[in-house]
Amino acid sequence: DSGVTQTPKHLITATGQRVTLRCSPRSGDLSVYWYQQSLDQGLQFLIQYYNGEERAKGNILERFSAQQFPDLHSELNLSSLELGDSALYFCASSVGGIGEQFFGPGTRLTVL
Amino acid sequence: TQLLEQSPQFLSIQEGENLTVYCNSSSVFSSLQWYRQEPGEGPVLLVTVVTGGEVKKLKRLTFQFGDARKDSSLHITAAQPGDTGLYLCAGKSAAGNKLTFGGGTRVLVKP
Repeated sequence: DSGVTQTPKHLITATGQRVTLRCSPRSGDLSVYWYQQSLDQGLQFLIQYYNGEERAKGNILERFSAQQFPDLHSELNLSSLELGDSALYFCASSVGGIGEQFFGPGTRLTVL
Repeated sequence: TQLLEQSPQFLSIQEGENLTVYCNSSSVFSSLQWYRQEPGEGPVLLVTVVTGGEVKKLKRLTFQFGDARKDSSLHITAAQPGDTGLYLCAGKSAAGNKLTFGGGTRVLVKP
């Protein structure tokens, strides 16, 4: 158990809908990262937050957004969902902005 | 764009055999991490290598970082069924903490 928690574990929704994925980092970690894992693209970095501020952006679509709250938990919002958004979404956390990252168990999103 | 290529993509061996997984790039990384992922779970960090030429051992696993910090290898001695899983290498550039992942090597150790 890495100490990173993610909810929900599974999510099934329809195209065009909007969903919110939630992540709580390990105790004491200030940085949160979001990754997407699909069969054809592998693990891809989406976005990083550090102590509530956006720190780095990767291959994140404009339909996706994230935020980190004062209690350091983070949410990833996915809107206007398409079939191709079906994937595993992982959250990771690190102590600082450049430390080793520890991954949560993931949320499996299925868009029908 | 930094890319990491892992080889082989899939490896099936008998218990007790040795195996090596390679991770190669044309880019230099400030550090490289190896993770193992099991179905339905998140990647679990095995090791971080930072210095060119560094070798780290974790029981039967040996990790090496290339002298130029562009490549790495993972060697497992006397593999066991518990070593079965998806092995991922991930490189971190000097510019930030974003991890660039390789495509993974799926290892199956048969009893």
